[in-house]
Amino acid sequence: EPEVTQTPSHQVTQMGQEVILRCVPISNHLYFYWYRQILGQKVEFLVSFYNNEISEKSEIFDDQFSVERPDGSNFTLKIRSTKLEDSAMYFCASSPSTGGYSPLHFGNGTRLTVT
Amino acid sequence: GQQLNQSPQSMFIQEGEDVSMNCTSSSIFNTWLWYKQEPGEGPVLLIALYKAGELTSNGRLTAQFGITRKDSFLNISASIPSDVGIYFCAGQRNDYKLSFGAGTTVTVRA
Repeated sequence: EPEVTQTPSHQVTQMGQEVILRCVPISNHLYFYWYRQILGQKVEFLVSFYNNEISEKSEIFDDQFSVERPDGSNFTLKIRSTKLEDSAMYFCASSPSTGGYSPLHFGNGTRLTVT
Repeated sequence: GQQLNQSPQSMFIQEGEDVSMNCTSSSIFNTWLWYKQEPGEGPVLLIALYKAGELTSNGRLTAQFGITRKDSFLNISASIPSDVGIYFCAGQRNDYKLSFGAGTTVTVRA
């Protein structure tokens, strides 16, 4: 079964550094998402992306965050200047369309540790 | 995002027992989804519900979409050790964004 794949599985970075988290969504999916899960907490929506632009973003997704689909297969999340509180699991998800009959499929996540 | 209240927060169950958990919301959702997350992995879709009142099964899992569209439950029958994990409910509205519950941690005693 097709999968959403994310790399790296674990990223350690120093505060203030830039990080790029990478995702390869399922190939025929059109809608892409990033979610975040701080340790022990629930999964939170960050941003959705369709047709090469952001569709919606949460209040968490501030100017330090950006997303890009640099080619036909990758979908990236960049954090420009990481803060300690950015430490979390970051999940990429994709769906073929929106709304009903199109549940999101998640990758296994990237654990980001900011020291 | 919309607030989903998921309960119980955790449960210890005996192997072979049936398990039930539920989610409620003050808002209406068009779709209810149940995901399972195991350590070090992303949420994996278990069941998706699209119509109010719908009852859907996936093996030993059964989930229902509440008539009011503000709640859903998930049942696991005859639990086995591999049922351990965190179960999340998620609601989806027309804006396709998922709102997640806080999760129910299930631990099975052999």
